[in-house]
Amino acid sequence: NAGVMQNPRHLVRRRGQEARLRCSPMKGHSHVYWYRQLPEEGLKFMVYLQKENIIDESGMPKERFSAEFPKEGPSILRIQQVVRGDSAAYFCASSPLIGGADEQFFGPGTRLTVL
Amino acid sequence: GESVGLHLPTLSVQEGDNSIINCAYSNSASDYFIWYKQESGKGPQFIIDIRSNMDKRQGQRVTVLLNKTVKHLSLQIAATQPGDSAVYFCAENNAGNMLTFGGGTRLMVKP
Repeated sequence: NAGVMQNPRHLVRRRGQEARLRCSPMKGHSHVYWYRQLPEEGLKFMVYLQKENIIDESGMPKERFSAEFPKEGPSILRIQQVVRGDSAAYFCASSPLIGGADEQFFGPGTRLTVL
Repeated sequence: GESVGLHLPTLSVQEGDNSIINCAYSNSASDYFIWYKQESGKGPQFIIDIRSNMDKRQGQRVTVLLNKTVKHLSLQIAATQPGDSAVYFCAENNAGNMLTFGGGTRLMVKP
C-alpha cells in the first residue's frame, strides 16, 4: 500500500510564474491536508479538503493560493505569481476517517524555490 | 491564537541514554496529540499519539506522557540510537481536523 505521494519533489520557479503541487493520498483516504514549512520551523496548516469540497481553508493566504481535490486525480495546490516568500516545503497529509481526530500520514513534501 | 510550543530547541544525548522531549500546549480543548519525527529532507513520520482521556501511552522504545493539569506533553525515547537523530514535533488536533504543530526540537545523538 503506497504512502502519500507528492510531486514534484523539487520545484524551481521564477518570480511571477505559477507553481502547481500535486498530492495523491493513501489508498482509501478521502481527506487531504496541506501544510507549509519554512526552514527550522514547524508545519503550518493551510487547507483541508475532501473530494470536491474545501472544508477548511483558514490557513490559506487570501490571494494567489488555491487548492482543489477533484473527484478523480490528485489534490492540487496552486500558487499563482509566486514571490520569494513562497519558498518553502509544502507537505500533504491524508487521513481515512470521517470527522474527529485521527492520525494524518504525511508525504515527502515538495520543496519550492522561487528565484 | 492558541498554539503549541516546545521548551528546548536542541537536545544532545549520548547513545544508549534516554531522551525526553517536552512540549507545552495552550488549547485546553485539544483532545488528541501526536508526536512526529522529521529527518532531513523528509516528511513528518508518525511516532505515537495520545488522546486526552489518557495520561500515558507506550510504544516500542517510546512513551508519551500527557499532563492536562499543566497542559504539558512529553516524549520519552529509551536507549536512544543514532537513528533517532532528527527533529521532533508535537502536534495537537483542534477545530476538528487541523493539526497545530510546535516549533520542533532537534535531537542529536552522540556515539
